[in-house]
Amino acid sequence: GAVVSQHPSRVICKSGTSVKIECRSLDFQATTMFWYRQFPKQSLMLMATSNEGSKATYEQGVEKDKFLINHASLTLSTLTVTSAHPEDSSFYICSASTSLLITYNEQFFGPGTRLTVL
Amino acid sequence: GQNIDQPTEMTATEGAIVQINCTYQTSGFNGLFWYQQHAGEAPTFLSYNVLDGLEEKGRFSSFLSRSKGYSYLLLKELQMKDSASYLCAVRAYNTDKLIFGTGTRLQVFP
Repeated sequence: GAVVSQHPSRVICKSGTSVKIECRSLDFQATTMFWYRQFPKQSLMLMATSNEGSKATYEQGVEKDKFLINHASLTLSTLTVTSAHPEDSSFYICSASTSLLITYNEQFFGPGTRLTVL
Repeated sequence: GQNIDQPTEMTATEGAIVQINCTYQTSGFNGLFWYQQHAGEAPTFLSYNVLDGLEEKGRFSSFLSRSKGYSYLLLKELQMKDSASYLCAVRAYNTDKLIFGTGTRLQVFP
């Protein structure tokens, strides 16, 4: 149980285009979803927190107009990187948590999306 | 401010024991997580501590001292497949957000 999927797993795009990444909780309802970015040999940096049906909360230094987050349902959140540039190339990972499971309220991570902007 | 420190890299031999330390200074505390991450993959949950003491789970154990802002992950009977990054993450009080440490890259040699 508690599986999170991401799509696509890899994407290569040209500079200036927009890319949408989907994050789905497959077997549970995620009250909260998180988006992280990870550069090579570095740790996970939280970009934003999203709750279903409300606006995402962005971390300091993350441009909300560039990284659009939509959390339209309890099982789906999307991250759109608008007008992508080479410096946006990174590993994007989502996670989901729920207060409905009897666990540590831990975050369950998706497999990540490798974005390369040419 | 929020600060979580771990050693950057560690090496160990197959069959040995290794301890990965994590010190933290955060505004509030509501649990500490350890995750394992293989290169290019998502982190996988290893352990959770919210009270002081040792939590044992098979070959892996995790310890927490809240007064010292300190935790460690202990890996016993190391196997080659344990070569990975180990991430310490703290959850601040009254939030689900996790603040991740820098991560420790562990290499296990035969």
